[in-house]
Parts: sequence; structure tokens; C-alpha cells
Amino acid sequence: SYELTQPPSVSVSPGQTASITCSGEKLGDTYASWYQQKPGQSPVLVIYQDTERPSGIPERFSGSNSGNTATLTISVAQAMDEADYYCQTWNDTTVLFGRGTQLTVL
Amino acid sequence: EVHLVESGGGLVQPGGSLRLSCAASGFTVSSNYMTWVRQAPGKGLEWVSTIYGGGDTYYADSVKGRFTISRDNSKNTVYLQMDSLRVEDTAVYYCARDSGGRYYYFDNWGQGALVTVSS
Repeated sequence: SYELTQPPSVSVSPGQTASITCSGEKLGDTYASWYQQKPGQSPVLVIYQDTERPSGIPERFSGSNSGNTATLTISVAQAMDEADYYCQTWNDTTVLFGRGTQLTVL
Repeated sequence: EVHLVESGGGLVQPGGSLRLSCAASGFTVSSNYMTWVRQAPGKGLEWVSTIYGGGDTYYADSVKGRFTISRDNSKNTVYLQMDSLRVEDTAVYYCARDSGGRYYYFDNWGQGALVTVSS
């Protein structure tokens, strides 16, 4: 079955750039979205349609999708960015989520 | 302002049933795709079901035949009827608006409803 693969964890120092990847064999044929989820909170959309940023999301969040890999980039990482991040796409009429990446800022 | 409020969660025995509600405000559910996503304790997000604006419905294989998504346009509310519940259905269930249509991205989420299936 079609799956999205993310690294379980990524660490970044404050002020540096973090990149979280999401691999899937059909990602090149669809769009990727990214969600941020902090403990005890609902997910928040941070990137949609590969590169678009919803209103209210800081410019330091950006996305790309090339070949079979989508990437979420957080530039000038801040302590408040520490969270779980999930990529998401679809296959026909099925929605797929990656297993999530825990971002640590330290 | 868009708002989604889930209700109906609780403790139920294996084999039992529960109906979740998602009351929407700030937009019309019948004009949007609406989706249920769940998250088991300590686990990731899992898509459960989507209802299209035209009424078509789709389900994850793990719930197909047991769960039913529906909506009441007069109440601007989406429902998830869950039957034959299993221990592995224990999760927080989120209602989300899909603003992307067939591009599937979820820009508004409810606060979640906890469903616990246990004897």
C-alpha cells in the first residue's frame, strides 16, 4: 500500500534551518501539505499545495516538492517551532498522512 | 470566523456504538468537503472518512462497513456514526474542513473528541 515516509525526529539549533522530508512514490503526481501539532493541541496547517502558506503562518515556514520527495523547511528556527510535523497527500479518494516528525529545537 | 466543535465522545464497550457530531459555524458544510481524522494515544494522524459537497462518502479500509459519515445541512453539522467499535478505535477524533476540495488540505480543525473503547 502507498505510504508516506518521514524521519521520526529532527533536531535544530535556535536560529538555524530545519528541513523535514516526506517521501512517497506518487508525491510527484499530487500536492503535499504540512501540519504542525503541539502537545494537547489540534493540528495546524502550515503549508498546502506544496509551497503555499496560509495566512498567519510565519514566512520562515516554506515547502517544496520535487520528484517523490516533499520538504518542509523552517528557517531561523525558534523554540516555539518545537512540535510534531505531519505531511499529507492523497491517492485517488484516500487521504494519506506521514507518521510524523518530532522537531526538537535545542 | 470558521469554527468546528466536536461532541459525542466517551467510553464505550467493544462492539458498541457512538455518534460524533461536528457543529460548524462561519461557513456552510454542504459547500465543502468535510473530513474526520483520528489520533490514537501517542500515535500519528489517521484519515477516517470524507464527505464531499455533493454527498459522496469515502472511508479508510480500517473503518469501512462500520463507520458512516453524514451531515445535516439544516444544522450545519457533520456526523460520524461508529458501530461495532473495537479497542483499536480508541483515539481523539478530529473534524476538519477540506478547503482544497480534491486537492485535500485541511485548514480548520476542531478541538477533538476522545473516544475510548474498553471493557
